[in-house]
Amino acid sequence: AQSVAQPEDQVNVAEGNPLTVKCTYSVSGNPYLFWYVQYPNRGLQFLLKYITGDNLVKGSYGFEAEFNKSQTSFHLKKPSALVSDSALYFCAVSLNNDMRFGAGTRLTVKP
Amino acid sequence: DGGITQSPKYLFRKEGQNVTLSCEQNLNHDAMYWYRQDPGQGLRLIYYSQIVNDFQKGDIAEGYSVSREKKESFPLTVTSAQKNPTAFYLCASSLRDRNEAFFGQGTRLTVV
Repeated sequence: AQSVAQPEDQVNVAEGNPLTVKCTYSVSGNPYLFWYVQYPNRGLQFLLKYITGDNLVKGSYGFEAEFNKSQTSFHLKKPSALVSDSALYFCAVSLNNDMRFGAGTRLTVKP
Repeated sequence: DGGITQSPKYLFRKEGQNVTLSCEQNLNHDAMYWYRQDPGQGLRLIYYSQIVNDFQKGDIAEGYSVSREKKESFPLTVTSAQKNPTAFYLCASSLRDRNEAFFGQGTRLTVV
């Protein structure tokens, strides 16, 4: 089965600075890749997805992600972080409706 | 108002008892999923279903059972065989795998 790795448990950035949350995946075939965000005691909310085409995907709240097939990565980025971006972020890969998630990365943006 | 609903939000169970978590969606989605979330372990897939009357095991299916008798409903039973059932359970649905998933608000199960 496919798998996802998020190598950083925690990412800390200052407000106004760019942020990157890393994700790598392992799958046989061409996967669909997703980023979700979770606030405390809530379900996950969709941010963006890569299906095919342009390697740079833009999503909600100013987030974007870059798909790199050779490095099997799908890193989440934002040019200027906000304190309100502080949350738990999950990368996911889906193939044949089998959807797997990474362990999550807690993003903290400090004022 | 379309969406995916999990109930109850909080559930307490005595050891040795089975308990069923409800998940209903009115989005006309084909695929439905159950995940377990523990601190530091992200979301682990328990079961998923692509169509009615069909479902597949995920990574941690032992001690759990599901049914998919209707497109809208995908209940999860946590059986007494599940050794460590205390966790946050999330249900999700999607139209198909190229589409994003919609999540319920979760059920927090505590064994007392």
